[in-house]
Amino acid sequence: DAGVIQSPRHEVTEMGQEVTLRCKPISGHNSLFWYRQTMMRGLELLIYFNNNVPIDDSGMPEDRFSAKMPNASFSTLKIQPSEPRDSAVYFCASSPPGLAGVDTQYFGPGTRLTVL
Amino acid sequence: GDSVTQMEGPVTLSEEAFLTINCTYTATGYPSLFWYVQYPGEGLQLLLKATKADDKGSNKGFEATYRKETTSFHLEKGSVQVSDSAVYFCALSARNTGNQFYFGTGTSLTVIP
Repeated sequence: DAGVIQSPRHEVTEMGQEVTLRCKPISGHNSLFWYRQTMMRGLELLIYFNNNVPIDDSGMPEDRFSAKMPNASFSTLKIQPSEPRDSAVYFCASSPPGLAGVDTQYFGPGTRLTVL
Repeated sequence: GDSVTQMEGPVTLSEEAFLTINCTYTATGYPSLFWYVQYPGEGLQLLLKATKADDKGSNKGFEATYRKETTSFHLEKGSVQVSDSAVYFCALSARNTGNQFYFGTGTSLTVIP
């Protein structure tokens, strides 16, 4: 079975450019999570969706960040304009339907973003 | 609010040594508890989990017991191998916060031959 798929795996861009990260959750999963991981701040939850609806976006750093989930099989995280401090590894994770708080999250391999 | 506190690293052990990584939690509801492992350059993978008090999760020689009385979920392994070198994350998920997970800061483990 395919796991969570993220693209691109690596992205290098210049400050001020728009960056779009993509995620395909595991088929049948109805919750999707975007995380950011840095050495300084560890693993941070940015936003999560349930049934394609954003539930909690309080972790989104600022208005430069936006996320969408137009359907159950695709989500994007966009940064516009990008800044060097956005350099990090961005993970997408999904979890199946079931009793809230019980289900496991399955992580993608991550996108390593470098903003010069 | 809900949170997880885990032992700070890095931890360096010799092969076949005993491993303990401490994890304690704060939760208002009845959380499920997890240990995830992250190998270099990869995403997080579920290592084990426990969904109620006194449950023991186990996998690949690792174990953790859900202790409600001490609000702990310490990770243990009797004999570590070089291949266990990774970063380990403790996490909780509570019903009253939907499917949201709360992760610890991670503990880096290096096992030397």
